[in-house]
Amino acid sequence: SQTIHQWPATLVQPVGSPLSLECTVEGTSNPNLYWYRQAAGRGLQLLFYSVGIGQISSEVPQNLSASRPQDRQFILSSKKLLLSDSGFYLCAWSFKASYEQYFGPGTRLTVT
Amino acid sequence: GESVGLHLPTLSVQEGDNSIINCAYSNSASDYFIWYKQESGKGPQFIIDIRSNMDKRQGQRVTVLLNKTVKHLSLQIAATQPGDSAVYFCAENSGGSNYKLTFGKGTLLTVNP
Repeated sequence: SQTIHQWPATLVQPVGSPLSLECTVEGTSNPNLYWYRQAAGRGLQLLFYSVGIGQISSEVPQNLSASRPQDRQFILSSKKLLLSDSGFYLCAWSFKASYEQYFGPGTRLTVT
Repeated sequence: GESVGLHLPTLSVQEGDNSIINCAYSNSASDYFIWYKQESGKGPQFIIDIRSNMDKRQGQRVTVLLNKTVKHLSLQIAATQPGDSAVYFCAENSGGSNYKLTFGKGTLLTVNP
């Protein structure tokens, strides 16, 4: 069976500091990968998605970037965090040619 | 902006009652819809999906209804239990070929014992 991991689970970072959130998927190959942000009491906003190693599509202009150095690894980064980057970050994966996405446990980021 | 929205942001029901959560979508090209359940502090979990060539699909205690004429989607939960308390999101594929989903804002379901 497939599993998805995210870490860290929670993170408190000062404004202007860098960020690196990691997501890994086990039990499948060549998945589609997604990064979402969820503000408190809000829906999910798609930030990035990837259909393969090194292939990243950005959905919204922002202070964040994503990378996929390995088939089942997806990283969300920032060089300098803003207060507005606070939120709940969710990674998801799907099989190729499938809309059904499976979500990780999320990372709660607080920028102070 | 989001093309999927919800009529009721909150819903409170008694344990054992049936729950109905509604969702409106605006993109007539959408041909796949999915419901997720998100418990506090956790990632969303798949509940049920439906393709546009269907009007109804049933799962375990859940039923999804799709009305393409009025672009409306609903999730019915039978015999609601306290463990069903969560935020429920609908999502649509917006008819694209890139396998992205557009999520609605969510409805908070509270089940009172």
